[in-house]
Amino acid sequence: KAGVTQTPRYLIKTRGQQVTLSCSPISGHRSVSWYQQTPGQGLQFLFEYFSETQRNKGNFPGRFSGRQFSNSRSEMNVSTLELGDSALYLCASSYGPQGLRSNQPQHFGDGTRLSIL
Amino acid sequence: KNEVEQSPQNLTAQEGEFITINCSYSVGISALHWLQQHPGGGIVSLFMLSSGKKKHGRLIATINIQEKHSSLHITASHPRDSAVYICAVRVSKEETSGSRLTFGEGTQLTVNP
Repeated sequence: KAGVTQTPRYLIKTRGQQVTLSCSPISGHRSVSWYQQTPGQGLQFLFEYFSETQRNKGNFPGRFSGRQFSNSRSEMNVSTLELGDSALYLCASSYGPQGLRSNQPQHFGDGTRLSIL
Repeated sequence: KNEVEQSPQNLTAQEGEFITINCSYSVGISALHWLQQHPGGGIVSLFMLSSGKKKHGRLIATINIQEKHSSLHITASHPRDSAVYICAVRVSKEETSGSRLTFGEGTQLTVNP
């Protein structure tokens, strides 16, 4: 069974541009969560999608958005890129939704490393 | 103060040593996760705990809910165990649908041959 696939693996952009990252979950998984990892802030939750609906969102500005398609693949978009957006962006999938009463194990992708010049 | 604190931040051990990484949290949780991150970024979920103890191979994870503390132990450590180990908690204060993971800063473990 293929794991979580994130594309691209590496990306270089300049300030002011926008970027779209893609995540294909494990086959059969319907929940996709996105995380940002930086040296200064560590890992932080961005958002979670389940069955094409955003279930939860972290404390990030509106420049960060996402969506999930009917085949459970997810994309996240960052507009008007800033230097501080340079980070490793990780997605994780699970069969069921992440929640208080349904702690599903998450499977992580290898991440997309985004560098802003 | 972070909601999740890990110690130590860095740990160097000799092959074969018994290793302990600690995680303390200050909020009510529904579950605690231990994650392993190798150079290059990929993350592997090692354990998900809500009580007691779990064991997988040479790895053991324990949690004490009353003391709000968890430990990850590695027995007979090996250089391939070198990685960053991250503790994450699912905070239970959010009763609405969906809740988020809050992460510790990670422990960089280096095991020398």
